[in-house]
Order: sequence, then structure tokens, then C-alpha cells
Amino acid sequence: NAGVMQNPRHLVRRRGQEARLRCSPMKGHSHVYWYRQLPEEGLKFMVYLQKENIIDESGMPKERFSAEFPKEGPSILRIQQVVRGDSAAYFCASSPGQRSNQPQHFGDGTRLSIL
Amino acid sequence: GDSVTQMEGPVTLSEEAFLTINCTYTATGYPSLFWYVQYPGEGLQLLLKATKADDKGSNKGFEATYRKETTSFHLEKGSVQVSDSAVYFCALNNNAGNMLTFGGGTRLMVKP
Repeated sequence: NAGVMQNPRHLVRRRGQEARLRCSPMKGHSHVYWYRQLPEEGLKFMVYLQKENIIDESGMPKERFSAEFPKEGPSILRIQQVVRGDSAAYFCASSPGQRSNQPQHFGDGTRLSIL
Repeated sequence: GDSVTQMEGPVTLSEEAFLTINCTYTATGYPSLFWYVQYPGEGLQLLLKATKADDKGSNKGFEATYRKETTSFHLEKGSVQVSDSAVYFCALNNNAGNMLTFGGGTRLMVKP
């Protein structure tokens, strides 16, 4: 499958635990974006990364959330000490470059549930 | 900042009916515009795009025209099918940080 791969598809955590979400971009894509979708809402931008660099994290909460895209391996979105309000679908997208007319291709998302 | 406004759903139509989902935007400069579709439990799939004024994007019978004078990008289809039932998102990319700004989504339900 040459598409954007996210795992796990579903993740259940208890309050206070850590959640790690993984994203492998499409082959040949070096730009990765994370979005969050709350129930019955649209997607909200969180963070934009290129290999080993965070380009824009203006949509990501300052505390408990972090993202990385290492030289080798998938991009990781990490949420520490999760709370009920973190329950959402988290989508990763990738693109080959940063031109605005290049569409972003999305994975199937990780649905995070906090007990 | 940039924003996208879509008509609220759900939109319920009978098979073979004409579809319009309204989308208007606010942005500086000349954004690229997109429609994405989301089927239950899945991610977003690109449906069509337009990158400059008066461009018409089209795919699978869906069309949308980039109208700069009315800042709109309405989605249309002449004859919907049950399989078109999904949530449709209008989005723009203004290259300011390269993020996509999404509308709230419009749920379409097509009945046989």
C-alpha cells in the first residue's frame, strides 16, 4: 500500500497515560502534517514537519503534546498525561513539497479514546 | 485569519437528485481550494481541487468552480447515488505555513 499509513487505528488510554500515534507518509513525500478532528467537527491543523524539523506547530497545545519526524522511521505524535478532552480522531497527511497547490494525502486516522 | 464556511447538514437527497453544497472562504492572497470526502471510519480522500480563479475542478461527476469575486467554491453533482453518502469538506491552502484550513463538513445522505 503506497498510501499514508497510520497506526494504531484505534487506541484506548486511561487518564494520565501516554499516547503515541505513528504516521508513515506516502513514498516520496517528505512533508507531514497532523490534524485533529473532534466529533462532528472539521479537522484542525496541529503541526507541520519535514524530516528532522518542525516547521509550524502553531496549532498544537503547548503542554503535553509533541511531534517528531526523525531521519529514519515514521512521524510520531505524542500526548503525555492524556485527559478526556484528548479523545478525538487524529489524522496524518503528507505531501511531496510545500507548494499550496499540491494536495495533501491523508491516512485513515487514529481514533483515540480516553477512559 | 483564513476561514472556510460550509452549509450545515445533513443534506438528504433521493437518488439521481441534483446536489449543491455551498462553500465560501476568507483568505488573503490567492489560496488553492479543495474538496475532500470522508466515508465512515476512513480518512479524507481528495475529491477535486482548483488553484486559481475561474478554474473548475472535476472528478467522479462532481464539479466546483473557483469564484474569486464571490469567494466561493460550491460543490455540485448532477445526479447523486447512494454510494455518494459521506461527509464532504471544503478546504483552502494559503501557503501561510502550508496548513489546510477546513470547513466544518457537510454530511450527505442519499436515499434509494
